[in-house]
Amino acid sequence: DAGITQSPRHKVTETGTPVTLRCHQTENHRYMYWYRQDPGHGLRLIHYSYGVKDTDKGEVSDGYSVSRSKTEDFLLTLESATSSQTSVYFCAISGGQVGQPQHFGDGTRLSIL
Amino acid sequence: GQSLEQPSEVTAVEGAIVQINCTYQTSGFYGLSWYQQHDGGAPTFLSYNALDGLEETGRFSSFLSRSDSYGYLLLQELQMKDSASYFCAFPGGGYQKVTFGIGTKLQVIP
Repeated sequence: DAGITQSPRHKVTETGTPVTLRCHQTENHRYMYWYRQDPGHGLRLIHYSYGVKDTDKGEVSDGYSVSRSKTEDFLLTLESATSSQTSVYFCAISGGQVGQPQHFGDGTRLSIL
Repeated sequence: GQSLEQPSEVTAVEGAIVQINCTYQTSGFYGLSWYQQHDGGAPTFLSYNALDGLEETGRFSSFLSRSDSYGYLLLQELQMKDSASYFCAFPGGGYQKVTFGIGTKLQVIP
């Protein structure tokens, strides 16, 4: 299995608070991604990274920011959490060739009350 | 734009064969992938078709027709553990990004 770890696995917080989710990989892969998964919407890309300090927006980036200061770590931050951001968040990594699989972490279940 | 369409739910009997269809719309098409996700779990990669035709991996096969913008995942000798959601997806948009369909929830019944 690809070495990818997400933390925390579960979190409950209140509206308006900042939240940071961490994704850590041991595969030295260049590409890292953050998705959210909601019923009826499948996996939607929030942000992605193509190298250290190189990040860009996905299709649902509003209200989220990311940082990648090291190859192995990709952080997702909700600056001021809203109830609409209650979701399951997955991090994924990819080796970088077209068609290569994305390997997913176990996910973070985030509830915002 | 880019989009994939697949049925939201499919029910099949244990031991039978089931086909999950996927149609897509995109420019710059490279190929079609399939992922499996059990309830509460993470998506896991099943297959990738870059060329037209059928790719077989054990009980699972995946098919692609570029001219029809269509593919399917075929599961044979269904087992209860095959109950899961199945996503078709395609790479595109640069930086190895992947666009996923909304998923087909397969329920295998005795």
